[in-house]
Formats: sequence, structure tokens, C-alpha cells
Amino acid sequence: QKEVEQNSGPLSVPEGAIASLNCTYSDRGSQSFFWYRQYSGKSPELIMSIYSNGDKEDGRFTAQLNKASQYVSLLIRDSQPSDSATYLCAVFSGGYQKVTFGTGTKLQVIP
Amino acid sequence: DGGITQSPKYLFRKEGQNVTLSCEQNLNHDAMYWYRQDPGQGLRLIYYSQIVNDFQKGDIAEGYSVSREKKESFPLTVTSAQKNPTAFYLCASSPRTGANEKLFFGSGTQLSVL
Repeated sequence: QKEVEQNSGPLSVPEGAIASLNCTYSDRGSQSFFWYRQYSGKSPELIMSIYSNGDKEDGRFTAQLNKASQYVSLLIRDSQPSDSATYLCAVFSGGYQKVTFGTGTKLQVIP
Repeated sequence: DGGITQSPKYLFRKEGQNVTLSCEQNLNHDAMYWYRQDPGQGLRLIYYSQIVNDFQKGDIAEGYSVSREKKESFPLTVTSAQKNPTAFYLCASSPRTGANEKLFFGSGTQLSVL
């Protein structure tokens, strides 16, 4: 089992819709969870971090964490074509003391 | 402007050649990291350093070497022992290593084999 799993996509949504990106992780000792956005040929940039169960909202972005189910998600409301990118889920594992990245989900927002 | 500078942006390696990728940061961060990204893949950790003159192997260290002689600098050498070096290499830093530390990335170096 991979440490951090994401559906590679592409996930296609129409402009204005809600995009839902999902991530599961294997280490129950994981402490911190991050979503990075990466445009093609560019470096990742952090868009959300979440550390406790529940929802965390920042503008159009909402991160959701469920530690019992070992599941973290990112919702993007009112999706824009500029949101088209690959979204990387990253997990800090207390057991491994390092950040592990998923393979990323490619999001395409169709105008 | 504070940030992380990687150079060169593109690099070509000949068979049997060692090449060095540069990474410099002026953020006064203690921790620095090197990741490799293959097409359609996530980031895989090569080496990381929590403090000057100390570094640890990541998940895919074979065929790579690093040094951390200065806080600001963390160069990566891709040796001839790395048989499949073509990839996008990303350097990152964080204030410290730890659960709540986000990573700041450089702009990356695309390494290709001639």
C-alpha cells in the first residue's frame, strides 16, 4: 500500500462548479496534511494545510480531514480555468518523521 | 526578495558524467531538501539536511550526493551511478523540520541525458 494515495485524474469540471480532490494515507500517526498546487513545468506552491479533524476554509478552498478514516480532501468552489493544475497531497508522518507526497491529481476546469 | 534559487533551469548530462545542481536560499531556514519528480509522478525525497554539516538519505539517495557546508547552500550532485537521471529536480527549504513546517520550493532544474 502506498503511503499517500491520490487518483491521478484528470478530473474535469465545468467552470463555476465544485471540484473535489481526495487523498488517503496509510500511517495513522500522521500529524499534518498539506495541499500543494503545481502548474505544468513549475514548482509546487502551498494552498492549504490542516492539522485537526474537520473543515478548514480559505477563500474558495476548503480542506477536510478525517483521521479515523485516514482521509483528507480539498474542495474548490466556483472553479476557474486558472485552477487547472495538478494538486499534490502531502502528509507529515510522525512515524517516518518526513513529508510524503502523493502522485497528484490533475484538475481541468472547462470554460 | 527572499526565496530559493535553483540553477541551472535546464541541464544536460553526458554518459558517465557527474553534474551538480545548485540550490541557494536566503530565508534563513535550517532545513533543506532535494526532491525528484518524474512525469505524472509525485515528489520523491532524495536527501535532506536539518543543520549545517549534517544530512540524511531520503527514499531514493542511490546515485546522488549532497553537501551542506553553509546554511544557505545545499548542492546536489547526480553521479554517473545514477542510471536514469532524467527528471525534474526540486529543492525546498523549511524553517525547521517538523510536523507543522510547510515547504518553500525553488523553481526547479530539468535534467536530461544526452
